[in-house]
Amino acid sequence: AQSVTQLGSHVSVSEGALVLLRCNYSSSVPPYLFWYVQYPNQGLQLLLKYTSAATLVKGINGFEAEFKKSETSFHLTKPSAHMSDAAEYFCAVSDANSGYALNFGKGTSLLVTP
Amino acid sequence: KAGVTQTPRYLIKTRGQQVTLSCSPISGHRSVSWYQQTPGQGLQFLFEYFSETQRNKGNFPGRFSGRQFSNSRSEMNVSTLELGDSALYLCASSLAPSGGADTQYFGPGTRLTVL
Repeated sequence: AQSVTQLGSHVSVSEGALVLLRCNYSSSVPPYLFWYVQYPNQGLQLLLKYTSAATLVKGINGFEAEFKKSETSFHLTKPSAHMSDAAEYFCAVSDANSGYALNFGKGTSLLVTP
Repeated sequence: KAGVTQTPRYLIKTRGQQVTLSCSPISGHRSVSWYQQTPGQGLQFLFEYFSETQRNKGNFPGRFSGRQFSNSRSEMNVSTLELGDSALYLCASSLAPSGGADTQYFGPGTRLTVL
């Protein structure tokens, strides 16, 4: 069965600092990987997705993630944090075995301090 | 283009009652998926509908059901509500059945509180 682990339920960074949110997955078949962001009282917004093309994926708002098969990781990064990046971030995996339903990690709450 | 809309946005029910939530997908999208979000269990997949047929189902009891209409709008129903059903219910739509690469676009959710 597939699974997603997000290391760190809370991450705090200073404005302008590097953002690194960690995601590890397990899947017995080639996975599709996603990062979503959720702002308070809102639904999920797609940041980026990996669909077996380029391993370095660029998304919206300056975020990017690198698919590393050998490490089964898909960490999310942003060079310089903005106050508006404060939100909940979810990593998700889907594959053929699950009928391509999204299987989400527990989420990481990002706090950006001035 | 309008996004995914869900109604109502907030709902309060009592134990034992039943509830119906509605989701209108993005125009042209034919696949609708439902997810439950709770603080304890996180985001969990409920089911997916495409062309009025349930295509995939998560691990939820039979009290949770859904349907899709010919215009792709979807409803989910929860019967005999329990306190643990209190959650944010999210609907997501995509152009075609989830095939991995297709992006699912989420609505704002319906916040259900069971008293």
